[in-house]
Amino acid sequence: KNEVEQSPQNLTAQEGEFITINCSYSVGISALHWLQQHPGGGIVSLFMLSSGKKKHGRLIATINIQEKHSSLHITASHPRDSAVYICAVPSGAQGGSEKLVFGKGTKLTVNP
Amino acid sequence: DSGVTQTPKHLITATGQRVTLRCSPRSGDLSVYWYQQSLDQGLQFLIQYYNGEERAKGNILERFSAQQFPDLHSELNLSSLELGDSALYFCASSEGSRGAYNEQFFGPGTRLTVL
Repeated sequence: KNEVEQSPQNLTAQEGEFITINCSYSVGISALHWLQQHPGGGIVSLFMLSSGKKKHGRLIATINIQEKHSSLHITASHPRDSAVYICAVPSGAQGGSEKLVFGKGTKLTVNP
Repeated sequence: DSGVTQTPKHLITATGQRVTLRCSPRSGDLSVYWYQQSLDQGLQFLIQYYNGEERAKGNILERFSAQQFPDLHSELNLSSLELGDSALYFCASSEGSRGAYNEQFFGPGTRLTVL
């Protein structure tokens, strides 16, 4: 079963700072998800990626399949980015299990 | 708004009781997933239905069951409730059947409190 580690667990930043959140997993995969959970509890899918890099507004997600590692970057952070960011991967090897397993999340607080 | 609806938003009940959580997927989505999020365990996959059929099963207790109806809405039934079942229960939906390889759209969740 895939094990997912996220770092850091908690992150406090000042508005405008560049943020990086990391995700490592143990079993080779071909898809990785980044989710955002708002303080109210709602979950939004930010990215699903299988290689390289994806960008959406101020958010950038990268993945290195060989190193089993992904990063989520936020440029010019804003207080509204304050949320928990969760990484999720398939529970088994490529072509195997299609259930998602989740990291414990990174709680980001951006102060004005 | 993801287009996925869940009812009720909050549910408070007693140990030993049975409850039903309801989910309506986005229009056009055939897959429905159920997840449990507790403080100590984080998000965990429970079960997936695709077009009315069970597609994948996770760490779902025998006291829990689910089904997907012909109109594609789904219900999660939790019985003989215990204090440890208190959690947020999310439903998600996707167009395709391959859960880990499809973007999933999450509902607002149902917060279950068992007293």
